[in-house]
Amino acid sequence: GAGVSQSPSNKVTEKGKDVELRCDPISGHTALYWYRQSLGQGLEFLIYFQGNSAPDKSGLPSDRFSAERTGGSVSTLTIQRTQQEDSAVYLCASSQPTGGVSPLHFGNGTRLTVT
Amino acid sequence: TQLLEQSPQFLSIQEGENLTVYCNSSSVFSSLQWYRQEPGEGPVLLVTVVTGGEVKKLKRLTFQFGDARKDSSLHITAAQPGDTGLYLCAGEEETSGSRLTFGEGTQLTVNP
Repeated sequence: GAGVSQSPSNKVTEKGKDVELRCDPISGHTALYWYRQSLGQGLEFLIYFQGNSAPDKSGLPSDRFSAERTGGSVSTLTIQRTQQEDSAVYLCASSQPTGGVSPLHFGNGTRLTVT
Repeated sequence: TQLLEQSPQFLSIQEGENLTVYCNSSSVFSSLQWYRQEPGEGPVLLVTVVTGGEVKKLKRLTFQFGDARKDSSLHITAAQPGDTGLYLCAGEEETSGSRLTFGEGTQLTVNP
């Protein structure tokens, strides 16, 4: 498909386990974002990748969170030793900066539940 | 402290009524975007405003960017049940590059 794809769509894990969330951005989009959204709330910025530049990791809530983007395309968000407060929907978005304002194209998210 | 404050947080109205949602900040934004999100889906862009004082219309939706580029409003005329959703404003701060900061959202319910 032509949109942003995230997998899995739902993930239930036990407290203390590690999880990996995947994002396939729109082909050709150089910018990729991860956000976290609690039920009915706004989006909390986590991390931003732009081309080959160093990622902006300023939104990661703790050192248990990390993300990488391989080959400028697919991205993986890893949460180690998950805690119940990590339960949320994790949204990925991509965009193609054109020098002006670039809209974000979002995936449908991964709903993470930590039991 | 939330960079972008949206109000109201929740709004439930009857079909045919008008409504306004506000997005306010003490920061200056180079641009501001409005998104709409439905359950189980990611947000979808409605409009982008970039010029202070700018007004954009999208059918029954009117978006305004404040003169000082610190605030914005979304006005919906004759709301319909299909307008139900979470409305999010997102700003690109002049000092933060391309990073978009989102407000907490306004959950709108339009009852038939």
